[in-house]
Amino acid sequence: EAQVTQNPRYLITVTGKKLTVTCSQNMNHEYMSWYRQDPGLGLRQIYYSMNVEVTDKGDVPEGYKVSRKEKRNFPLILESPSPNQTSLYFCASKTQGVGNQPQHFGDGTRLSIL
Amino acid sequence: AQSVTQLDSHVSVSEGTPVLLRCNYSSSYSPSLFWYVQHPNKGLQLLLKYTSAATLVKGINGFEAEFKKSETSFHLTKPSAHMSDAAEYFCVVSDAVKAGTALIFGKGTTLSVSS
Repeated sequence: EAQVTQNPRYLITVTGKKLTVTCSQNMNHEYMSWYRQDPGLGLRQIYYSMNVEVTDKGDVPEGYKVSRKEKRNFPLILESPSPNQTSLYFCASKTQGVGNQPQHFGDGTRLSIL
Repeated sequence: AQSVTQLDSHVSVSEGTPVLLRCNYSSSYSPSLFWYVQHPNKGLQLLLKYTSAATLVKGINGFEAEFKKSETSFHLTKPSAHMSDAAEYFCVVSDAVKAGTALIFGKGTTLSVSS
């Protein structure tokens, strides 16, 4: 089954404790992206990657890092989490085929930073 | 710059009545437009997409949307609401030419369906 898998689904942690949210897709998609969803703000892009070893900032990259060492994986790293990073995070992927293809989303990761 | 405005943050309908979720967009380029649905504790599911083919787009679960360039609108409709349609809906715009660019999300419309 084609899917985007995020782990963990839920995490409560404390300020300053480094954490990584993993994202993996099995569709051989070139493009992957991370979003955060906050009430009343919709989804905002954090980082994206157009292919292996190619990453770029989205609209709200501060406090986050990413890497793309393999095509299927795109982890999101919070080196020193702070309470304002409490949010619902989504990973997405799509093919870079002809036209603008829709993105496929994971089920989300709810992070609470105390 | 691209932007999306969902005109209603919350829409309430009765089961069996029509649904209308309104979306206006702004784009300097030829846009791609999408509607996504999010059920509680779930990811986003694509309902339908417009990518410069037919202006009336049919999606899953009986939803459809009409692209009106003169009105810069992409409203989502369904003739008869079902209880299972209760969810949050997002109108999304993206640049159809530059395939690597981000999706720009509206702030969402919560649809409530009463029996």
